[in-house]
Amino acid sequence: GAGVSQSPSNKVTEKGKDVELRCDPISGHTALYWYRQSLGQGLEFLIYFQGNSAPDKSGLPSDRFSAERTGGSVSTLTIQRTQQEDSAVYLCASSLVARTNTEAFFGQGTRLTVV
Amino acid sequence: QQQVKQSPQSLIVQKGGIPIINCAYENTAFDYFPWYQQFPGKGPALLIAIRPDVSEKKEGRFTISFNKSAKQFSLHIMDSQPGDSATYFCAAKGFSGAGSYQLTFGKGTKLSVIP
Repeated sequence: GAGVSQSPSNKVTEKGKDVELRCDPISGHTALYWYRQSLGQGLEFLIYFQGNSAPDKSGLPSDRFSAERTGGSVSTLTIQRTQQEDSAVYLCASSLVARTNTEAFFGQGTRLTVV
Repeated sequence: QQQVKQSPQSLIVQKGGIPIINCAYENTAFDYFPWYQQFPGKGPALLIAIRPDVSEKKEGRFTISFNKSAKQFSLHIMDSQPGDSATYFCAAKGFSGAGSYQLTFGKGTKLSVIP
């Protein structure tokens, strides 16, 4: 497809389980962002990948969260030992390059519910 | 620390009215200011963006006004329509202290346009 693709679209998991969320960015986009959107809140930055540079992990809320980007394309966000407060929509975005005036395109998100 | 403050949280206008959404930022390293529109169940989509060397930008019915000295910018929607009902996010992009071009969002404004 031409856009950013995220899977699954919805995920219900039990507290304490690990989950993996996947993001397929637009082909050729070197920059990839993960955000978390909680109900009634804005978009909370989690992590940023740019090409082969070390990722900016400054937004990850705890060491239960990690992300990787393989081959500069697909990215996986992993949440270990999920908690109820992890319930949110997780959004991925990609942009062509890191220059500040390049548009970031978002996927439709993964709605995570921890029960 | 919230780097982009957005107001109001919600806004109701009648069709044809001109809703105005305001944002203020703190980090003078920001140099790209996009606005995103989000419909329920969808990811945010870029609506319009401005750079700080411009005081106003208009695209169709959407106008951004930018005040660099006050570190404020706003979105105006002319002749608003029910189809404009959505959540609007302002954002700011620039080099962060962690070494990446972060895209920082406001908390969003839920706009309802009444027929």
